[in-house]
Amino acid sequence: QQQVKQSPQSLIVQKGGISIINCAYENTAFDYFPWYQQFPGKGPALLIAIRPDVSEKKEGRFTISFNKSAKQFSLHIMDSQPGDSATYFCAADRGSTLGRLYFGRGTQLTVWP
Amino acid sequence: EPEVTQTPSHQVTQMGQEVILRCVPISNHLYFYWYRQILGQKVEFLVSFYNNEISEKSEIFDDQFSVERPDGSNFTLKIRSTKLEDSAMYFCASSGHGELFFGEGSRLTVL
Repeated sequence: QQQVKQSPQSLIVQKGGISIINCAYENTAFDYFPWYQQFPGKGPALLIAIRPDVSEKKEGRFTISFNKSAKQFSLHIMDSQPGDSATYFCAADRGSTLGRLYFGRGTQLTVWP
Repeated sequence: EPEVTQTPSHQVTQMGQEVILRCVPISNHLYFYWYRQILGQKVEFLVSFYNNEISEKSEIFDDQFSVERPDGSNFTLKIRSTKLEDSAMYFCASSGHGELFFGEGSRLTVL
């Protein structure tokens, strides 16, 4: 059972462009939605996270948009840079489960210079 | 910046052998986790550990797996009798109030 669905699987963006990665979830008990960035050979690192009481959260060039009724959330990377090239995972968590994250399958982002 | 450290970075073992993966969580964290990532696939939860006992485990975490915090600093994952399908990257994570901090992982290759 795939609790969190992520698309696209891979994404190629020109430097300066906008990268958009989408996720959808099924379990309405989820109340925490983080995005993780993973470089080759490294562990996932928290990039930005949102809770369902807000529809958008912005940190620098990274923005999460959250649509509770559609059970969807997305990551937007503005002014994408070659250094942003990495794998991005969305995830979801229920407050009662103390860190049991359900990850999406990941999006491999390549930003061309 | 505090970090989660894992050893070994890579271990190769024969099928049926026991493997212990070690982790040193961030010092003031209270919650500890193991996740795994099979090559090219998503990161999957294995187990969470709090107050010296397992809080939750997934269906992957069967009787072949065990976790331990033997000395108050290390957090270990033991696989009793490895199978080919245990080949994966194993990530340890710890948290204090919510955000999970992941280590760089231990790659396990079972031959």
